Amino acid sequence: LAKTTQPISMDSYEGQEVNITCSHNNIATNDYITWYQQFPSQGPRFIIQGYKTKVTNEVASLFIPADRKSSTLSLPRVSLSDTAVYYCLVGDPLFVDTGRRALTFGSGTRLQVQP
Amino acid sequence: DTEVTQTPKHLVMGMTNKKSLKCEQHMGHRAMYWYKQKAKKPPELMFVYSYEKLSINESVPSRFSPECPNSSLLNLHLHALQPEDSALYLCASSQTDSLQYFGPGTRLTVT
Repeated sequence: LAKTTQPISMDSYEGQEVNITCSHNNIATNDYITWYQQFPSQGPRFIIQGYKTKVTNEVASLFIPADRKSSTLSLPRVSLSDTAVYYCLVGDPLFVDTGRRALTFGSGTRLQVQP
Repeated sequence: DTEVTQTPKHLVMGMTNKKSLKCEQHMGHRAMYWYKQKAKKPPELMFVYSYEKLSINESVPSRFSPECPNSSLLNLHLHALQPEDSALYLCASSQTDSLQYFGPGTRLTVT
């Protein structure tokens, strides 16, 4: 099971770009990288998922280098409402079918956006 | 409809009580999950159901008993809980396992 390492916390200001890096040195061939956002007392919310290179959606971008041992979530022009915990998960999307170990949430990065 | 609903939102129970948490999704997802989350900690996986069958049990104590009556419903039966079981209990569903939709959770307090 690929273990992930993220910074415990980050601070930013409104309007800045925030990059959160996740390390996953033992990522497996079938593993995808998925990021979730969680506000206090709410369930996590899917942000973005990727396998390699770059993925972009209306919320964020995900950069994955060729060796896939790390990934970077990029949040453009953050606002106060982006203050949350961000989790990086690595795992086989078909883990239930294959019987492999389920996805595990890492410790997460607590992002605080200041005005 | 991409919503996972959970009831109740809050639950206070004594150590001798029996209660149940309920989760519902209408997205046709094949997998449903229970997580436990303590304050300032990441969610911890408890159970996974795939096609209404229990496929993963992460060594959860028997005082937690999951049930999947049909493809849309997931229950978590609670009995003889301990104060340390107080937490936010999250339900999720998915079609592909790395893309899970989470409910708002049930805040459980065991007195």
